[in-house]
Amino acid sequence: EVQLVESGGGLVQPGGSLRLSCAASGFTFSSFWMHWVRQAPGKGLVWVSRINNAGSDANYADSVKGRFTISRDNAKNTLDLQMNSLRAEDTAVYYCARVQYYYDSSGYASPYFDYWGRGTLVSVSS
Amino acid sequence: QTVVTQEPSFSVSPGGTVALTCGLSSGSVSGSHHPSWYQQTPGQPPRTLFYNTNIRSSGVPDRFSGSILGNKAALTITGAQADDESDYYCVLYMGGGILMFGGGTKLTVL
Repeated sequence: EVQLVESGGGLVQPGGSLRLSCAASGFTFSSFWMHWVRQAPGKGLVWVSRINNAGSDANYADSVKGRFTISRDNAKNTLDLQMNSLRAEDTAVYYCARVQYYYDSSGYASPYFDYWGRGTLVSVSS
Repeated sequence: QTVVTQEPSFSVSPGGTVALTCGLSSGSVSGSHHPSWYQQTPGQPPRTLFYNTNIRSSGVPDRFSGSILGNKAALTITGAQADDESDYYCVLYMGGGILMFGGGTKLTVL
């Protein structure tokens, strides 16, 4: 059974740092691209960052670029998100999510989120 | 910057039909954006409904369907039921491994 379990959330002051982790099990972690998605209280889902399966390439939303760093340890089956210079607007539930690819008859790869963790809450407040 | 657009809210009567749409602030949605749809109820992570526009995820009732309607992706519910009352999100592939969410549609069944 595929499982993604986030940890590391909590209350932090503005300007502080926090490191989130996502423990993966039930699948070959090193074969999948992974993403972080967040959801502020009462708001919609927002893509934060993604990392390729090897951990050699990453992208970030403009709102977190330069402050957040995504990484992974394929030997430990873990995905991390280092969050620095935190702001009140970073307050959200942070989900890790696995991306699967569907290949159509033409061979084109169609990415989508197929498994999600239950999320960890990050609150940034003084 | 391109934004993925969805209706903020929609209401449907039990047994009725509703089409939730997913567009782009500039340009049209096509199959090359590989639209996917997710359902979320309060306090729960999202659940995958559709991927690659119209491929139904396991366990999704066939009253749900995905398509491209005009210049938008669409999630249609035919014969809405009370437990379809949820938030619905579309996601579009923007290239470079980036998947962009729409703002979500809050569907009310009453």
